[in-house]
Amino acid sequence: GAGVSQSPSNKVTEKGKDVELRCDPISGHTALYWYRQSLGQGLEFLIYFQGNSAPDKSGLPSDRFSAERTGGSVSTLTIQRTQQEDSAVYLCASSFEPYYEQYFGPGTRLTVT
Amino acid sequence: EDQVTQSPEALRLQEGESSSLNCSYTVSGLRGLFWYRQDPGKGPEFLFTLYSAGEEKEKERLKATLTKKESFLHITAPKPEDSATYLCAVQAMSNTGKLIFGQGTTLQVKP
Repeated sequence: GAGVSQSPSNKVTEKGKDVELRCDPISGHTALYWYRQSLGQGLEFLIYFQGNSAPDKSGLPSDRFSAERTGGSVSTLTIQRTQQEDSAVYLCASSFEPYYEQYFGPGTRLTVT
Repeated sequence: EDQVTQSPEALRLQEGESSSLNCSYTVSGLRGLFWYRQDPGKGPEFLFTLYSAGEEKEKERLKATLTKKESFLHITAPKPEDSATYLCAVQAMSNTGKLIFGQGTTLQVKP
């Protein structure tokens, strides 16, 4: 079956612009996670969805970051007023249920100029 | 604070030269320890989950083991296609399933 997909694969934006990153999880997976991977920081958790609810938003670095999930499926991560330090690869993962193994998408590479 | 430390940061092996990667962790109640493989420009690929000390899992040339403080990923007779970054992550009982990752070990296997 299809794996986790993410779009766009690459995004270059100017400082101060807003960006939206999309994640399509594996069909039937109820849990969805966003992570960020940057040089020197490794993979960092951002937010967790169970269905359409986000019971854990503890990793969002600032109020410029928000995310939503609709229909228990697609999720969008929005970054407002982007800053250069937001440059990173944003990875989405899904799992059948929380605590099961997570399957990752290919990521979106965000570059803020 | 939950924490994962991987060593070495980088490892170069000759084809056929077996070795081990280390993952040390501190966590407030371990639910599971996960190993992933990541190739350049791609997302992490799931390899193994270990749940309790003494557990072992194998896949082709890879074998993962778990103790109360660390996990090892043993690579037997590696091939060039095993070259990748190997990531270790822990999941705590107290959280919502999020993974806490180590910095990874970048493995290069030369023919």
